Amino acid sequence: QLQLQESGPGLLKPSQTLSLTCTVSGGSLSNSGFYWGWIRQPPGMGLEWIVSFYYDGTTHYNPSLKSRVTMSVDTSTNRFSLNLNSVTAADTAVYYCVSHRSGTYAKGFDPWGQGTLVTVSS
Amino acid sequence: DFVMTQSPDSLAVSLGERATINCKSSQSVLYNSNNKNYLAWYQQKPGQPPKLLIYWASTRESGVPDRFSGSGSGTEFTLTISSLQAEDVAVYYCQQNYGTPYTFGQGTKLEIK
Repeated sequence: QLQLQESGPGLLKPSQTLSLTCTVSGGSLSNSGFYWGWIRQPPGMGLEWIVSFYYDGTTHYNPSLKSRVTMSVDTSTNRFSLNLNSVTAADTAVYYCVSHRSGTYAKGFDPWGQGTLVTVSS
Repeated sequence: DFVMTQSPDSLAVSLGERATINCKSSQSVLYNSNNKNYLAWYQQKPGQPPKLLIYWASTRESGVPDRFSGSGSGTEFTLTISSLQAEDVAVYYCQQNYGTPYTFGQGTKLEIK
């Protein structure tokens, strides 16, 4: 069964870079047909998709965040990472790593990691 | 971008009664070549990640109770819980996966009356 787990610092200061890692178990980042990505949720608010990437390097970004987002992938450890630079308090959120199928088989985001709260505060 | 609008924002329903949540997309999410609507519904309980309930507008994910059903096509969709149980208290989100940026509705909070 595919499982995802986020890890990373929980507290950042404004202007720093948010760096989170998602460890994948029960599946491979190199599997065709699956995208891997990130979604965030500010406390008490709704869901915002950030980015999704495919094993061939295809990456889709939310235009609202694209200029600050970098994705990296390590297939040898089955992990992928999110970097979000120049954070502000508006970036305070629970960050989830997710997987989803691609193309006409797209069903929605499943599974989700448990989420990790990142707080940006001076 | 696809703007997803849910109604109502909150809903209180008696146990055993029907709950209905609506979702409207600013653009059609119907892919004509395969006649599938790329619309998903999620349930989120406090402190938990969202859980995929329904995809392609009306297909229940494995393990989801059959009291949950989805309907609609094009731009208007509905999630129905036929007989509300206490464990259904949650926030429900619709989401389009027709195209990027993937977008969610603002959420509907479902409570017991």
